[in-house]
Amino acid sequence: GDSVTQMEGPVTLSEEAFLTINCTYTATGYPSLFWYVQYPGEGLQLLLKATKADDKGSNKGFEATYRKETTSFHLEKGSVQVSDSAVYFCALINTDKLIFGTGTRLQVFP
Amino acid sequence: KAGVTQTPRYLIKTRGQQVTLSCSPISGHRSVSWYQQTPGQGLQFLFEYFSETQRNKGNFPGRFSGRQFSNSRSEMNVSTLELGDSALYLCASSLGLVGVRDEQYFGPGTRLTVT
Repeated sequence: GDSVTQMEGPVTLSEEAFLTINCTYTATGYPSLFWYVQYPGEGLQLLLKATKADDKGSNKGFEATYRKETTSFHLEKGSVQVSDSAVYFCALINTDKLIFGTGTRLQVFP
Repeated sequence: KAGVTQTPRYLIKTRGQQVTLSCSPISGHRSVSWYQQTPGQGLQFLFEYFSETQRNKGNFPGRFSGRQFSNSRSEMNVSTLELGDSALYLCASSLGLVGVRDEQYFGPGTRLTVT
């Protein structure tokens, strides 16, 4: 079945560092891909999405490119802030339901 | 536009009791999905409702059930609660168009604690 694999966390960075969170997927057909973010005590917020190969999703300085040849959708940000500290979930939707990765906790220190 | 709302935000129940959670989707959204989030199992899909009909179902026992009303609001019920049902229950809404893999928007969740 379809699945999403994310890198283990936590990822610990200093403010203004470069961020990469790896995400790969297994799916038949052409899924849509998403990154969601969860701040402490809150639900999930959609961060960005891509619906077809080579699409780049971007929002709030974060970006991710849908790479069909490597089945990847890595999340990047050039300069993280303390306020970016949260749990990030990679997800796909293929036929019906969202399938999530296990989440990666990001901790940014001043 | 108002976002997805869930009530209540927090619940404490005793083992063996039952509980009902409520979700109001974004206006115009006809699909409501429910997810369970736990530290051990992560985010797991429970079921999806569209136009008052259950369209998809995850691998949860029959103690977990739901329904959707004509205004798209949805409720989820868990009967005979077990300690392992303690979790954050998230509701998400989307347009739900068939064949369209559109994004889902999540509510803040209901934190259920079973003692």
